[in-house]
Amino acid sequence: AQRVTQPEKLLSVFKGAPVELKCNYSYSGSPELFWYVQYSRQRLQLLLRHISRESIKGFTADLNKGETSFHLKKPFAQEEDSAMYYCALGGSGNTGKLIFGQGTTLQVKP
Amino acid sequence: EAGVAQSPRYKIIEKRQSVAFWCNPISGHATLYWYQQILGQGPKLLIQFQNNGVVDDSQLPKDRFSAERLKGVDSTLKIQPAKLEDSAVYLCASRRQGAGELFFGEGSRLTVL
Repeated sequence: AQRVTQPEKLLSVFKGAPVELKCNYSYSGSPELFWYVQYSRQRLQLLLRHISRESIKGFTADLNKGETSFHLKKPFAQEEDSAMYYCALGGSGNTGKLIFGQGTTLQVKP
Repeated sequence: EAGVAQSPRYKIIEKRQSVAFWCNPISGHATLYWYQQILGQGPKLLIQFQNNGVVDDSQLPKDRFSAERLKGVDSTLKIQPAKLEDSAVYLCASRRQGAGELFFGEGSRLTVL
């Protein structure tokens, strides 16, 4: 079965500290992984996708097929990074259908 | 470009009543999705349209939920009769055909009393 697990509901760090939001997935085919973010009072939006292999707002994520993980990392957290982060799995066939994890609230304290 | 528009933003109804939500996707986006997000959970896909055809409605509770996209643009999602467990945010998203990211609307928050 296709599944996305984000084990932490809340991650609280101080400004300048490193951040790692964990995401594990279960999928038998060739996965597409995404991170979506929802800032306070804003709509859900794409942060990054694994196929782009890019860094957005200082965040990176590497797909590890052996560990079936797609953890989101940032070396130095900023207060404006405080938001809800969702890991999402897209299956094959390019339908755009996404399976979301439960989300992790990142709280960056001053 | 204008984003995905949804209405109403908030709706409170009694159980067994009916409710309808409306979505206008980004112009030119052929694919439209309705997601249900219950408090504390991630969004869950209810139905996916490609133009005016249904691609996936496997998780839509068809005894009470219905959705349509008659002209391949706007879409409505209806719940009749509503249950307490339908309290959630209903998110609409759209995507250009075949590629690209999903763009989400602000959502419609439903409270069933």
